[in-house]
Amino acid sequence: DGGITQSPKYLFRKEGQNVTLSCEQNLNHDAMYWYRQDPGQGLRLIYYSQIVNDFQKGDIAEGYSVSREKKESFPLTVTSAQKNPTAFYLCASSDDRVGANVLTFGAGSRLTVL
Amino acid sequence: GQQVMQIPQYQHVQEGEDFTTYCNSSTTLSNIQWYKQRPGGHPVFLIQLVKSGEVKKQKRLTFQFGEAKKNSSLHITATQTTDVGTYFCAGPRASGSARQLTFGSGTQLTVLP
Repeated sequence: DGGITQSPKYLFRKEGQNVTLSCEQNLNHDAMYWYRQDPGQGLRLIYYSQIVNDFQKGDIAEGYSVSREKKESFPLTVTSAQKNPTAFYLCASSDDRVGANVLTFGAGSRLTVL
Repeated sequence: GQQVMQIPQYQHVQEGEDFTTYCNSSTTLSNIQWYKQRPGGHPVFLIQLVKSGEVKKQKRLTFQFGEAKKNSSLHITATQTTDVGTYFCAGPRASGSARQLTFGSGTQLTVLP
């Protein structure tokens, strides 16, 4: 079955450590996204990529970094510069060919900073 | 910047009652999407509305897009416990890349049996 796989599902990190969240998709979608979700809030865009080797900052890119070396993969690194990294992180993709950026989401990664 | 507001933030209903959530954008939208997120889960796409005044139905769910394309609503008739979750609306940015969707803060629906 096609879909988006995020790992790990749960992650604990000490302050000052970088952590990388994995996102892999086998939907053959060109565009991929990272969103952050905090309790009681909507989704906020961190980064997005429309094509391999290219990505754009979203609304809250500070303290995060991404890469897009393969179409299938869009890992997110939460750096120690991110002031409040505890959150639920959602990776998504969309199929440009249908003309609308309807998002398919992965199951998410929940990061807790101790 | 563009804002998408959703009300109410929380709604508790008895099973069998109707439920409506409203979405209002500060700018005109080319389209609006609705997503549902079950407790502990991830958002799942429900529907997209494109035309002014458009109404679409999915079984007990009715989606409307306003004439001015700045507001939308989701109405659920005779709620069931399976309707529990948070409902989000989202629209593409008015400026910059349309790839950037702006999400509302969501309406969390609780259905009491």
